[in-house]
Amino acid sequence: EAGVAQSPRYKIIEKRQSVAFWCNPISGHATLYWYQQILGQGPKLLIQFQNNGVVDDSQLPKDRFSAERLKGVDSTLKIQPAKLEDSAVYLCASSLQMTYYNEQFFGPGTRLTVL
Amino acid sequence: TQLLEQSPQFLSIQEGENLTVYCNSSSVFSSLQWYRQEPGEGPVLLVTVVTGGEVKKLKRLTFQFGDARKDSSLHITAAQPGDTGLYLCAGAGGTSYGKLTFGQGTILTVHP
Repeated sequence: EAGVAQSPRYKIIEKRQSVAFWCNPISGHATLYWYQQILGQGPKLLIQFQNNGVVDDSQLPKDRFSAERLKGVDSTLKIQPAKLEDSAVYLCASSLQMTYYNEQFFGPGTRLTVL
Repeated sequence: TQLLEQSPQFLSIQEGENLTVYCNSSSVFSSLQWYRQEPGEGPVLLVTVVTGGEVKKLKRLTFQFGDARKDSSLHITAAQPGDTGLYLCAGAGGTSYGKLTFGQGTILTVHP
């Protein structure tokens, strides 16, 4: 079974530029998550999708971050414009369903450096 | 807001030693998960505990969920260099159904 795919793996941009990340979840997984992980910290949830609908985006900085999951499969996360503090690893995860035991499978992440 | 606090934040030990990592919260969780993350990779699920007082063993790793479902511990017996990595606890359910709240992680280094 193929895992969660993410691209690119690394991205370096200057502040105020735009960037987009792509995620392809495990086939059949209805729930998709985007996390931000700053070096030395645990992942912080940015947005959670159930199929193509948003379940939770309470911690997404909506003035600069946006995400979509068209057709309930692939997802993209965009930052526009980027700030220095956005430097982090952006992780995508998926789970079969939204349950209380909620086992999530993570992709390798995209490491973003904002200069 | 549900928070999970892990301790210690860093752990550096010699091969063969035992260690315990703690994960504490003031909130009740429906389940508690432990993940291990290696550099350049995403977290990988080790175990899920769902019942208060539950103990699960995975080879040299023992996981326990507190009776009140607010805390958990991970104990590693006879640590090996291959155990090196970032260990994360994550709580699910409670007031945030379907969402995981992660602790800040414990960086474990096992020296040969």
